[in-house]
Amino acid sequence: SQKIEQNSEALNIQEGKTATLTCNYTNYSPAYLQWYRQDPGRGPVFLLLIRENEKEKRKERLKVTFDTTLKQSLFHITASQPADSATYLCALVGTNAGKSTFGDGTTLTVKP
Amino acid sequence: GAGVSQSPRYKVAKRGQDVALRCDPISGHVSLFWYQQALGQGPEFLTYFQNEAQLDKSGLPSDRFFAERPEGSVSTLKIQRTQQEDSAVYLCASSLTGTEQFFGPGTRLTVL
Repeated sequence: SQKIEQNSEALNIQEGKTATLTCNYTNYSPAYLQWYRQDPGRGPVFLLLIRENEKEKRKERLKVTFDTTLKQSLFHITASQPADSATYLCALVGTNAGKSTFGDGTTLTVKP
Repeated sequence: GAGVSQSPRYKVAKRGQDVALRCDPISGHVSLFWYQQALGQGPEFLTYFQNEAQLDKSGLPSDRFFAERPEGSVSTLKIQRTQQEDSAVYLCASSLTGTEQFFGPGTRLTVL
């Protein structure tokens, strides 16, 4: 069955450092992969999308890589700030752009 | 606001009661998704509409769950004869392109 694993439930880092979150998947051939941010009591907010034929995407302090051979995506936040503290979710979408399969998320805490 | 809205935000039901959860998507968004999110887990896909057509309902956990979007705009998720395991946050998302999804704040359902 399809499985998505996000590294460790929680990640604590110091302000100014780079946070790296991992998303691994098995038994899936996604057309693209997305990263979302979720704050407590709120719905997820879309951050970045990367397609299967793309290796890397950047947006401001965010960078996503996608390795379909390793079946892994890495999500980086550079120069992290306490305001970046949240749960980050990865989601895989198949070719029909319908159903999204989410991981359980990694909770990031950036300490001042 | 122009975002996705959901009502009610909180719902307490006694076991066996029927509930109806409403989603108002962003105007003009063709795609609409329903997800169920348990505490500490990622959203789990329930069903997907394109306009009024329900294209995928593979995630609905049982025949007690029913979703509709009769005019291709507002959607209702109905749960009949609620059970304790139905307690969760129910998230609605809409999309113009089918890729980037805009989520509502969710409805927290508690079944006693």
